[in-house]
Amino acid sequence: QVQLQESGPGLVKPSETLSLTCTVSGASFSSHYWSWIRQAPGRGLEWIGYIYYSGTTKYNPTLRSRVTISQDTSKNQFSLKLRSVTAADTALYYCARGYCSDGRCPYYEYYMDVWGRGTTVTVSS
Amino acid sequence: QSVLTQPPSVSGTPGQRVTISCFGGGSDIASNYVYWYQQFPGAAPKLLIYKNNQRPSGVPDRFSGSKSGTSASLAISGLRSEDAADYSCATWDDDMSGWVFGGGTRLTVL
Repeated sequence: QVQLQESGPGLVKPSETLSLTCTVSGASFSSHYWSWIRQAPGRGLEWIGYIYYSGTTKYNPTLRSRVTISQDTSKNQFSLKLRSVTAADTALYYCARGYCSDGRCPYYEYYMDVWGRGTTVTVSS
Repeated sequence: QSVLTQPPSVSGTPGQRVTISCFGGGSDIASNYVYWYQQFPGAAPKLLIYKNNQRPSGVPDRFSGSKSGTSASLAISGLRSEDAADYSCATWDDDMSGWVFGGGTRLTVL
């Protein structure tokens, strides 16, 4: 059974860097895309970006200048760093696996099939 | 403001059929598959529908998805109290080159 678990500080000061890690169990890290998604209070889900097991990354243009997603395949983990945070970055942060259902998909058809339960990050001094 | 537009809320009574709409545009829904997720507070979002109308194993056939042009719908038939949750649509946006979501719809079972 594939499981994802987010971890990291629940409180970050304004202008500092938010750092989260997602630990994957029950699945190989290879051949999948690994995404970060967030949901601000009262708002819809917002895709932050993904990393492919090869190391290729893609980010939401609205966050691209502040985001870095990296991976540690030896630990089956991938991480999110969001720099220069403000109160607007307060949200529930999820990690998710991007999966191809028929074995041969273009990158935009790797859909998010398994998600973590999310971790709340509050930006406040 | 979410890229995809969903009604904030829908409601129904047990046994009824309800639908949740998701409106987009030419670079997102019209060009790519649509996915639907179910969310309960404190739980991981659950994939309900993938590639417009496919159900993952374990998802009851009471849940069905459809797409036409720039819009998509999730239908829930034989409504049950445990279906009360938040539902979100998602698709790939070619212009943004990334995933976009709807604002979410809260389903209330009266």
